[in-house]
Amino acid sequence: NAGVMQNPRHLVRRRGQEARLRCSPMKGHSHVYWYRQLPEEGLKFMVYLQKENIIDESGMPKERFSAEFPKEGPSILRIQQVVRGDSAAYFCASSHTSGSTYEQYFGPGTRLTVT
Amino acid sequence: DAKTTQPNSMESNEEEPVHLPCNHSTISGTDYIHWYRQLPSQGPEYVIHGLTSNVNNRMASLAIAEDRKSSTLILHRATLRDAAVYYCILRRIQGAQKLVFGQGTRLTINP
Repeated sequence: NAGVMQNPRHLVRRRGQEARLRCSPMKGHSHVYWYRQLPEEGLKFMVYLQKENIIDESGMPKERFSAEFPKEGPSILRIQQVVRGDSAAYFCASSHTSGSTYEQYFGPGTRLTVT
Repeated sequence: DAKTTQPNSMESNEEEPVHLPCNHSTISGTDYIHWYRQLPSQGPEYVIHGLTSNVNNRMASLAIAEDRKSSTLILHRATLRDAAVYYCILRRIQGAQKLVFGQGTRLTINP
């Protein structure tokens, strides 16, 4: 029973390049959430998606960041033209359904370093 | 969203019980109390949640005050593996699905 999978686990990008972070939710889960943890800071919500739909993107930076969760395949968080301030750990979580009694299961994270 | 307040850090000894407090004086009647923890270099992990009654599971117990303005996460017998940052989070019924993490309590376990 595989948990939430994220890849790559570590990603190094030069300023101006694109970063693509992938998240495969737990089997049977159709709700995906992305969170970011900047160095020495807390976890911040970015975006919540269901299959083919963005439900809540209130935490996404207005520019350069996008997310998708296609009908088939993993969810992708895409960061265009990365800057040093994008260096952080990005965590994906999934849940079986929505609702405040359902826990979110987190992946191990992708640690992005921008040089 | 209602706010939670936790001590920045706590320390305990291995094999002793640990009581992690959380204040949420502005909690509403439709807010569930959730606890997550984050071990070093890992993603957060669900621990337990409750609404009004005390709850037990294999990881911990959750004691909720009668007025619901505070709660306590209880680790009955701490191990070194329990060293983590513990987050107390309120989630409203039918509310936004996102988890709002505060600074949490960094728990250190001494061998």
